[in-house]
Amino acid sequence: DADVTQTPRNRITKTGKRIMLECSQTKGHDRMYWYRQDPGLGLRLIYYSFDVKDINKGEISDGYSVSRQAQAKFSLSLESAIPNQTALYFCATSRGIAAFTTGELFFGEGSRLTVL
Amino acid sequence: GQSLEQPSEVTAVEGAIVQINCTYQTSGFYGLSWYQQHDGGAPTFLSYNGLDGLEETGRFSSFLSRSDSYGYLLLQELQMKDSASYFCAVNAGNNRKLIWGLGTSLAVNP
Repeated sequence: DADVTQTPRNRITKTGKRIMLECSQTKGHDRMYWYRQDPGLGLRLIYYSFDVKDINKGEISDGYSVSRQAQAKFSLSLESAIPNQTALYFCATSRGIAAFTTGELFFGEGSRLTVL
Repeated sequence: GQSLEQPSEVTAVEGAIVQINCTYQTSGFYGLSWYQQHDGGAPTFLSYNGLDGLEETGRFSSFLSRSDSYGYLLLQELQMKDSASYFCAVNAGNNRKLIWGLGTSLAVNP
Protein backbone atom coordinates (compact mmCIF):
# COMPACT_ATOMS: atom_id res chain seq x y z
CA ASP A 1 0.00 0.00 0.00
CA ALA A 2 1.13 3.53 -0.75
CA ASP A 3 2.49 5.56 2.17
CA VAL A 4 0.79 8.73 0.89
CA THR A 5 -2.66 8.16 -0.59
CA GLN A 6 -4.68 10.67 -2.53
CA THR A 7 -8.35 10.42 -3.42
CA PRO A 8 -9.80 10.79 -5.94
CA ARG A 9 -7.11 10.05 -8.51
CA ASN A 10 -9.15 11.61 -11.29
CA ARG A 11 -12.09 13.97 -11.15
CA ILE A 12 -14.03 15.87 -13.75
CA THR A 13 -16.34 18.58 -12.48
CA LYS A 14 -18.14 21.69 -13.60
CA THR A 15 -17.47 25.34 -12.92
CA GLY A 16 -18.87 26.46 -9.57
CA LYS A 17 -18.88 23.06 -7.93
CA ARG A 18 -17.22 22.42 -4.59
CA ILE A 19 -14.46 19.85 -4.74
CA MET A 20 -12.45 18.17 -2.00
CA LEU A 21 -9.21 16.31 -2.55
CA GLU A 22 -8.14 14.11 0.30
CA CYS A 23 -4.72 12.98 1.41
CA SER A 24 -3.81 10.45 4.06
CA GLN A 25 -0.40 9.17 5.09
CA THR A 26 0.96 6.29 7.07
CA LYS A 27 4.51 7.61 7.36
CA GLY A 28 3.96 9.30 10.70
CA HIS A 29 5.22 12.62 9.34
CA ASP A 30 4.27 15.90 10.91
CA ARG A 31 4.51 18.04 7.80
CA MET A 32 2.07 17.88 4.91
CA TYR A 33 1.85 19.90 1.74
CA TRP A 34 -0.44 20.47 -1.22
CA TYR A 35 1.15 21.27 -4.57
CA ARG A 36 -0.28 22.04 -7.94
CA GLN A 37 1.50 21.08 -11.17
CA ASP A 38 0.77 22.62 -14.55
CA PRO A 39 2.75 21.85 -17.71
CA GLY A 40 5.84 24.05 -17.88
CA LEU A 41 5.22 25.61 -14.49
CA GLY A 42 6.76 23.02 -12.21
CA LEU A 43 5.40 22.46 -8.72
CA ARG A 44 3.70 25.34 -6.94
CA LEU A 45 2.87 25.24 -3.25
CA ILE A 46 -0.76 25.86 -2.33
CA TYR A 47 -0.83 25.23 1.43
CA TYR A 48 1.34 23.52 3.98
CA SER A 49 0.92 22.34 7.54
CA PHE A 50 3.70 21.62 10.01
CA ASP A 51 1.34 20.06 12.55
CA VAL A 52 -2.38 19.73 13.20
CA LYS A 53 -2.69 23.26 14.59
CA ASP A 54 -0.43 24.90 12.05
CA ILE A 55 -1.74 25.82 8.58
CA ASN A 56 0.09 28.16 6.24
CA LYS A 57 -0.58 29.63 2.83
CA GLY A 58 1.77 28.86 0.02
CA GLU A 59 2.42 30.85 -3.12
CA ILE A 60 -0.94 30.22 -4.81
CA SER A 61 -3.55 29.78 -2.06
CA ASP A 62 -6.29 31.99 -3.55
CA GLY A 63 -9.38 29.92 -4.40
CA TYR A 64 -8.29 27.04 -2.17
CA SER A 65 -8.74 26.07 1.47
CA VAL A 66 -7.39 23.20 3.55
CA SER A 67 -8.19 21.22 6.64
CA ARG A 68 -5.77 19.19 8.75
CA GLN A 69 -8.16 16.76 10.40
CA ALA A 70 -5.46 14.70 12.06
CA GLN A 71 -1.73 14.21 11.82
CA ALA A 72 -2.33 11.74 9.01
CA LYS A 73 -4.98 13.63 7.02
CA PHE A 74 -4.79 16.84 5.02
CA SER A 75 -7.61 17.85 2.69
CA LEU A 76 -7.67 20.47 -0.05
CA SER A 77 -10.94 22.14 -1.02
CA LEU A 78 -11.91 24.21 -4.01
CA GLU A 79 -15.00 26.08 -2.81
CA SER A 80 -16.13 27.08 -6.28
CA ALA A 81 -14.06 25.41 -8.97
CA ILE A 82 -13.06 27.34 -12.08
CA PRO A 83 -11.48 26.06 -15.32
CA ASN A 84 -8.02 27.49 -14.59
CA GLN A 85 -7.87 25.21 -11.55
CA THR A 86 -7.60 22.31 -13.94
CA ALA A 87 -4.28 20.73 -12.96
CA LEU A 88 -2.51 17.80 -11.38
CA TYR A 89 -2.52 18.10 -7.60
CA PHE A 90 0.00 16.44 -5.34
CA CYS A 91 0.01 15.90 -1.62
CA ALA A 92 3.40 15.45 0.02
CA THR A 93 4.76 14.77 3.48
CA SER A 94 8.06 15.20 5.26
CA ARG A 95 9.63 14.75 8.62
CA GLY A 96 10.48 18.11 10.06
CA ILE A 97 14.08 17.32 10.71
CA ALA A 98 14.50 15.41 7.44
CA ALA A 99 13.08 18.25 5.41
CA PHE A 100 15.58 20.58 6.98
CA THR A 101 18.53 18.31 6.56
CA THR A 102 17.78 16.49 3.32
CA GLY A 103 14.94 18.28 1.56
CA GLU A 104 13.17 14.95 1.17
CA LEU A 105 9.46 15.02 0.46
CA PHE A 106 7.28 11.96 -0.11
CA PHE A 107 4.58 12.49 -2.71
CA GLY A 108 1.23 10.87 -3.31
CA GLU A 109 0.36 9.61 -6.78
CA GLY A 110 -1.52 12.77 -7.65
CA SER A 111 -5.10 13.82 -8.28
CA ARG A 112 -5.91 14.96 -11.78
CA LEU A 113 -8.69 17.53 -11.69
CA THR A 114 -10.52 18.84 -14.73
CA VAL A 115 -12.93 21.73 -14.36
CA LEU A 116 -15.24 22.22 -17.33
CA GLY B 1 13.05 37.29 -5.84
CA GLN B 2 14.01 33.69 -5.48
CA SER B 3 14.55 31.57 -8.55
CA LEU B 4 16.10 28.41 -9.86
CA GLU B 5 17.16 27.90 -13.45
CA GLN B 6 17.59 24.59 -15.21
CA PRO B 7 17.42 23.64 -18.89
CA SER B 8 13.94 22.79 -20.13
CA GLU B 9 14.98 19.82 -22.26
CA VAL B 10 17.94 17.50 -22.65
CA THR B 11 18.34 14.63 -25.11
CA ALA B 12 20.85 11.78 -24.87
CA VAL B 13 21.37 8.22 -26.06
CA GLU B 14 21.38 5.00 -24.13
CA GLY B 15 24.65 4.33 -22.36
CA ALA B 16 25.74 7.94 -22.44
CA ILE B 17 26.33 10.40 -19.60
CA VAL B 18 24.22 13.51 -19.16
CA GLN B 19 24.55 16.47 -16.83
CA ILE B 20 21.59 18.61 -15.79
CA ASN B 21 22.59 21.96 -14.35
CA CYS B 22 20.78 24.08 -11.79
CA THR B 23 21.65 27.62 -10.77
CA TYR B 24 19.84 29.34 -7.97
CA GLN B 25 19.22 32.76 -6.49
CA THR B 26 17.67 32.53 -3.05
CA SER B 27 17.69 34.65 0.07
CA GLY B 28 18.98 31.75 2.12
CA PHE B 29 20.40 28.33 1.41
CA TYR B 30 20.47 25.10 3.34
CA GLY B 31 20.73 22.59 0.53
CA LEU B 32 19.88 21.47 -3.00
CA SER B 33 17.69 18.46 -3.74
CA TRP B 34 16.93 16.58 -6.93
CA TYR B 35 13.72 14.80 -7.83
CA GLN B 36 12.71 12.55 -10.70
CA GLN B 37 9.22 12.48 -12.15
CA HIS B 38 8.02 10.10 -14.82
CA ASP B 39 5.20 11.35 -17.00
CA GLY B 40 2.06 11.80 -14.90
CA GLY B 41 3.65 10.14 -11.89
CA ALA B 42 4.71 11.26 -8.45
CA PRO B 43 8.01 13.08 -8.00
CA THR B 44 10.52 10.90 -6.20
CA PHE B 45 13.54 12.08 -4.23
CA LEU B 46 16.93 11.34 -5.78
CA SER B 47 19.59 13.16 -3.83
CA TYR B 48 20.56 16.04 -1.61
CA ASN B 49 23.63 18.25 -1.27
CA GLY B 50 24.02 20.37 1.83
CA LEU B 51 27.75 20.84 1.50
CA ASP B 52 30.01 21.48 -1.48
CA GLY B 53 31.10 18.46 -3.41
CA LEU B 54 29.85 15.34 -5.06
CA GLU B 55 27.31 12.88 -3.70
CA GLU B 56 27.08 9.53 -5.47
CA THR B 57 24.16 7.13 -5.46
CA GLY B 58 24.58 4.35 -7.96
CA ARG B 59 24.39 5.68 -11.52
CA PHE B 60 23.33 9.11 -10.28
CA SER B 61 25.58 11.75 -8.75
CA SER B 62 24.85 15.27 -7.61
CA PHE B 63 27.25 18.14 -7.16
CA LEU B 64 27.03 21.44 -5.34
CA SER B 65 29.10 24.60 -5.33
CA ARG B 66 27.67 27.03 -2.81
CA SER B 67 30.08 29.80 -3.80
CA ASP B 68 28.81 29.60 -7.39
CA SER B 69 25.14 29.02 -6.42
CA TYR B 70 25.27 26.06 -8.77
CA GLY B 71 24.65 22.38 -8.77
CA TYR B 72 24.18 19.55 -11.20
CA LEU B 73 22.77 16.08 -11.47
CA LEU B 74 24.91 13.59 -13.38
CA LEU B 75 23.31 10.51 -14.83
CA GLN B 76 25.63 7.78 -16.07
CA GLU B 77 25.04 4.69 -18.19
CA LEU B 78 21.73 6.09 -19.30
CA GLN B 79 18.83 3.72 -19.69
CA MET B 80 15.52 4.22 -21.46
CA LYS B 81 13.78 4.21 -18.09
CA ASP B 82 15.70 7.37 -17.16
CA SER B 83 13.50 9.32 -19.57
CA ALA B 84 11.67 11.60 -17.15
CA SER B 85 11.58 15.12 -15.81
CA TYR B 86 14.19 16.12 -13.27
CA PHE B 87 13.61 18.93 -10.79
CA CYS B 88 16.09 20.75 -8.61
CA ALA B 89 14.77 22.27 -5.40
CA VAL B 90 16.40 24.52 -2.82
CA ASN B 91 15.76 24.53 0.90
CA ALA B 92 16.15 28.26 1.39
CA GLY B 93 15.37 28.28 5.07
CA ASN B 94 12.11 30.18 4.59
CA ASN B 95 10.03 28.08 6.95
CA ARG B 96 12.05 25.30 5.42
CA LYS B 97 9.83 25.04 2.37
CA LEU B 98 11.37 24.01 -0.90
CA ILE B 99 11.76 26.36 -3.85
CA TRP B 100 11.43 24.41 -7.09
CA GLY B 101 12.93 24.72 -10.53
CA LEU B 102 10.66 24.28 -13.54
CA GLY B 103 12.14 20.91 -14.41
CA THR B 104 14.28 19.42 -17.16
CA SER B 105 12.71 16.91 -19.51
CA LEU B 106 15.26 14.20 -20.33
CA ALA B 107 14.68 12.05 -23.39
CA VAL B 108 16.88 8.96 -23.70
CA ASN B 109 16.96 7.58 -27.21
CA PRO B 110 18.10 4.13 -28.37
